[in-house]
Amino acid sequence: QVQLQQSGPGLVRPSQTLSLTCAISGDSVSSNSAAWNWIRQSPSRGLEWLGRTYYRSEWHDDYAASVRSRIIINADSSKNQFSLHLSSVISDDTAVYYCAAGWSFEIWGQGTPVTVSS
Amino acid sequence: DIVMTQSPDSLAVSLGERATINCKSSQNVLFSVNNKNSLGWYQLKPGQPPKLLIYGASTRVSGVPDRFGGSGSGTDFTLTISSLQAEDVAVYYCQQYLAVPITFGQGTRLEIK
Repeated sequence: QVQLQQSGPGLVRPSQTLSLTCAISGDSVSSNSAAWNWIRQSPSRGLEWLGRTYYRSEWHDDYAASVRSRIIINADSSKNQFSLHLSSVISDDTAVYYCAAGWSFEIWGQGTPVTVSS
Repeated sequence: DIVMTQSPDSLAVSLGERATINCKSSQNVLFSVNNKNSLGWYQLKPGQPPKLLIYGASTRVSGVPDRFGGSGSGTDFTLTISSLQAEDVAVYYCQQYLAVPITFGQGTRLEIK
């Protein structure tokens, strides 16, 4: 059974980079059938998909237009995990951030509340 | 982008009664390769991650009570809870996963009348 465990800080200063990691158990980040996503949830935005990475002989990634200039999602096969890096954060990036597995999101991490504040 | 629009925004239903939530996509979300609609329904409760209830528009995830049902095809979809239970109070979201960016509806808040 696939499980996802998130880690990372809950407070980020404005203009800094938000970095979160999602550790995978029960599957491989390099699986040729899987996809690994980041989503955020806030009262103002509801659920917002941020992007994903997946491996099909080489790594691919897709990003939401709203964050494309600021986001990187990458995978670490040696640690079997994937990470979110969102740069130049502002208060509007305050949200609960989730990692999720699949094309429809069958498995979710526990969520990380992130506040952007000085 | 495929825009997902849910109705109503909020809904109050008596215990044991039927709850119906609608979702309309701005484009057809039928995946031609497998002839399945790329449409999911999620339940979101405070302090918990979203829970996938339905995928492929009508396939219930293992372990989800059979009072939850999904229907529809193309651009119009429905989530039905046949007999509302107290634990069903939540916000429900539809989602299309046919095309990037993956998009969600705005959510429907379901309460007990």
